[in-house]
Amino acid sequence: DTAVSQTPKYLVTQMGNDKSIKCEQNLGHDTMYWYKQDSKKFLKIMFSYNNKELIINETVPNRFSPKSPDKAHLNLHINSLELGDSAVYFCASSQDLDGQNTEAFFGQGTRLTVV
Amino acid sequence: AQSVTQLGSHVSVSEGALVLLRCNYSSSVPPYLFWYVQYPNQGLQLLLKYTSAATLVKGINGFEAEFKKSETSFHLTKPSAHMSDAAEYFCAVSDRLGGGFKTIFGAGTRLFVKA
Repeated sequence: DTAVSQTPKYLVTQMGNDKSIKCEQNLGHDTMYWYKQDSKKFLKIMFSYNNKELIINETVPNRFSPKSPDKAHLNLHINSLELGDSAVYFCASSQDLDGQNTEAFFGQGTRLTVV
Repeated sequence: AQSVTQLGSHVSVSEGALVLLRCNYSSSVPPYLFWYVQYPNQGLQLLLKYTSAATLVKGINGFEAEFKKSETSFHLTKPSAHMSDAAEYFCAVSDRLGGGFKTIFGAGTRLFVKA
């Protein structure tokens, strides 16, 4: 069983299109994240949801809209895709146990290429 | 505000030599600290974590890290490098934000292992 699964694994699309990436975790965690990893491997947090509520929204263009229908899912929708959006997007989840943060469990990533 | 600095974007060692990957952090409260490894085209995998218990933390694959509050450091070491250790390594710091936690990653260090 895959703990954090993302679909699709690869996504090639044209500029201006709208696309979504789905993420599901079966770990029972309360917190889910989206990270963007650029070509230089730099990982930047984009969003974090705790029990379906947005708690972190970094300086991300509003073309990016996360949606959490339940605490096991955090999807990422991107409008009007631009060349600079090309990157690997990682979904992750973690759990708050008695005030202690567990490590984040990562999905395998979605490689988005905008042409 | 929390931050993580990894010294050296690339480290090259010979097989069997000591591995030392440096990480310094900045956090306003006692932090949670992590080391992750990323193999090519994969997600991140936890190597070890510090959560205010023992200052010397042992992880998987023979890695360990020592938390030094006075130096605000959490360097990763392994006594003897193996070819399979070649990967990208990320140091991360996490502390509470709102109803959950925010995890910030360093820029990563690529480890090369020479035969």
